[in-house]
Amino acid sequence: QVQLVQSGAEVKKPGASVKISCQAAGYAFTSYFIHWMRQVPGQGPEWMGMINPGGGATKYAQSFQGRVTMSRDMSTNTVYMELSSLRFEDTAVFYCARSAAWGGKHPFDIWGQGTVVSVS
Amino acid sequence: DIQMTQSPSYVSASVGDRVTISCRASQGFNNFLAWYQQKPGKVPNLLIYAASTLQSGVPSRFSGSGSGTEFTLTISSLQPEDVATYYCQNYNSVPYTFGPGTKVDIK
Repeated sequence: QVQLVQSGAEVKKPGASVKISCQAAGYAFTSYFIHWMRQVPGQGPEWMGMINPGGGATKYAQSFQGRVTMSRDMSTNTVYMELSSLRFEDTAVFYCARSAAWGGKHPFDIWGQGTVVSVS
Repeated sequence: DIQMTQSPSYVSASVGDRVTISCRASQGFNNFLAWYQQKPGKVPNLLIYAASTLQSGVPSRFSGSGSGTEFTLTISSLQPEDVATYYCQNYNSVPYTFGPGTKVDIK
């Protein structure tokens, strides 16, 4: 079954860091980019950045540049997103999602179940 | 960055009604525009991509149209299970921005 499985909920203090995992299953790990989104309650998803699991290249949104780091572990088909210097406004659900890495541009067809991060 | 706006922000309609949601981009781009449905407490689900292509398994009452800067999502006959918030998304260029959402409810 094609799926992305994320790690569990986190509670953090302001200024701390959080590291969330997203494990891919049921498809060729290196054939799809992984994207991360933050969704604050009542708002639309906000794209944070992406990683190419094949080579490890990353692109980050300007609004998260300097605070976000995405990495991957090829041995476990897992992508990680670490967000540092947490603020109250980072209280949100964080999602990973995939898009095909070949033949042009593709939408996000599979999403993880979401990870709730509470900063308080 | 491409900014996405949606209208209306909320729509309440009766079962069987036709519902239309608009999405506008701050600058024109190739039709790499997607629509997602997010039911309360659930994960966003891809409905339409390339502005008008229905994702596999999505009911045919959903359709998309538009080009350039103006795009539309239409539900031809609203069903109770369509209660959700709908988001458009630019996946043409980073950052892959989402619209603020349109909440659809049953009258």
